[in-house]
Amino acid sequence: EIVLTQSPGTLSLSPGERATLSCRASQSVSSSYLAWYQQKPGQAPRLLIYSASTRATGIPDRFSGSGSGTDFTLTISRLEPEDFAVYYCQQYGTSWTFGHGTKVEIK
Amino acid sequence: EVQLVESGGGLVQPGGSLRLSCAASGFTFNNYAMSWIRQAPGKGLEWVSAISGSGDNTYYADSVKGRFTISRDNSKNVLYLQMNSLRAEDTAVYFCAREKKIGAVGTVGFDYWGQGTLVTVPS
Repeated sequence: EIVLTQSPGTLSLSPGERATLSCRASQSVSSSYLAWYQQKPGQAPRLLIYSASTRATGIPDRFSGSGSGTDFTLTISRLEPEDFAVYYCQQYGTSWTFGHGTKVEIK
Repeated sequence: EVQLVESGGGLVQPGGSLRLSCAASGFTFNNYAMSWIRQAPGKGLEWVSAISGSGDNTYYADSVKGRFTISRDNSKNVLYLQMNSLRAEDTAVYFCAREKKIGAVGTVGFDYWGQGTLVTVPS
């Protein structure tokens, strides 16, 4: 099973700052099958990025994804108040696995 | 508008059973594979099970294989998860989610999720 390690565990930033979230896989992942989600307390996750770099429908362009192989990154160019949440990466190898999440909190 | 509404969660004793339902609307249900994904309190996400649009193919995480059964009724637009031999570690919010497919690539993520239903199995 492919293990996804997300870092940092918590990111403390101010609105307007840039957020860079990392997702590292224990073995190579096809970029087609790497996705990112946002989850706010008490809500279901929301698909942000699929195929490593494609924004899902309705996702603002301040969210971008990049990477390949074992290293992937989610970047939020300028944090808006509604962006403070937990972010998960997800991959499909022989089954779907998720990282443990990165919490982006207000500094 | 796509909607997924789960129901059937609750408190169940270890070794007991529970059946979750997910009512779908706003899209052609039988065109989409569906999954159940769970989240233990304060923890991350864990994929549990998936089923193809026709219902012919099913898939399970090792942690639930042999205990849980996924099924669907395409005439009623409902997804099910039959959970047997429940354990304390099955305590979680269970989400149903629609799989997003891209042509020949296949499923690339989950684009719509329900609000979740809580299953509690005391230790």
